[in-house]
Amino acid sequence: DAKTTQPPSMDCAEGRAANLPCNHSTISGNEYVYWYRQIHSQGPQYIIHGLKNNETNEMASLIITEDRKSSTLILPHATLRDTAVYYCIVRVAGGADGLTFGKGTHLIIQP
Amino acid sequence: GAVVSQHPSRVICKSGTSVKIECRSLDFQATTMFWYRQFPKKSLMLMATSNEGSKATYEQGVEKDKFLINHASLTLSTLTVTSAHPEDSSFYICSAGTSGSFYNEQFFGPGTRLTVL
Repeated sequence: DAKTTQPPSMDCAEGRAANLPCNHSTISGNEYVYWYRQIHSQGPQYIIHGLKNNETNEMASLIITEDRKSSTLILPHATLRDTAVYYCIVRVAGGADGLTFGKGTHLIIQP
Repeated sequence: GAVVSQHPSRVICKSGTSVKIECRSLDFQATTMFWYRQFPKKSLMLMATSNEGSKATYEQGVEKDKFLINHASLTLSTLTVTSAHPEDSSFYICSAGTSGSFYNEQFFGPGTRLTVL
């Protein structure tokens, strides 16, 4: 799986949009971008994934650049409960392998 | 999303004893389950992959005789930490994948906090 690079930490004010960047310059054509988050002392939670088109669900939006070398996860109206470590992972869809977690971004939502 | 449970959520044991952790997929059949562990302030590290009815595949550096994995059904996998020592204290997390989904998303359990005294 391709390697990803994320900033170690970010702050965001409650109610504002949180934009979390991820670089994946070595992504292959058949690899998807997945985002998970882990709230302290809990298991990771799936957020969203995409291949090349922008995606939106009830939790977040995913913006993937045209060259697919980077992406941004957007939490439109961050709340205190969104404080967590966010992991960007690239992997082949349908792959049977476990996930490789990097260090992620520790997002802290400030009141 | 699909629900995965783990039991127990927290366990404290004496050094030298064995501890069993259960991972269940509650509303779907999991052809593959994964076991991870996470040390404080670190990322999750994959320990092993288990497929129903076959032997688990362990990642490099993970002792198969120490971390026994059984995946006897499509909804249950167990991890047994044998002869536990303080350095095995960690947060153990399972995930379950469903081959019915093209994306083979993985759904994670809430984790089990193991403390070995």
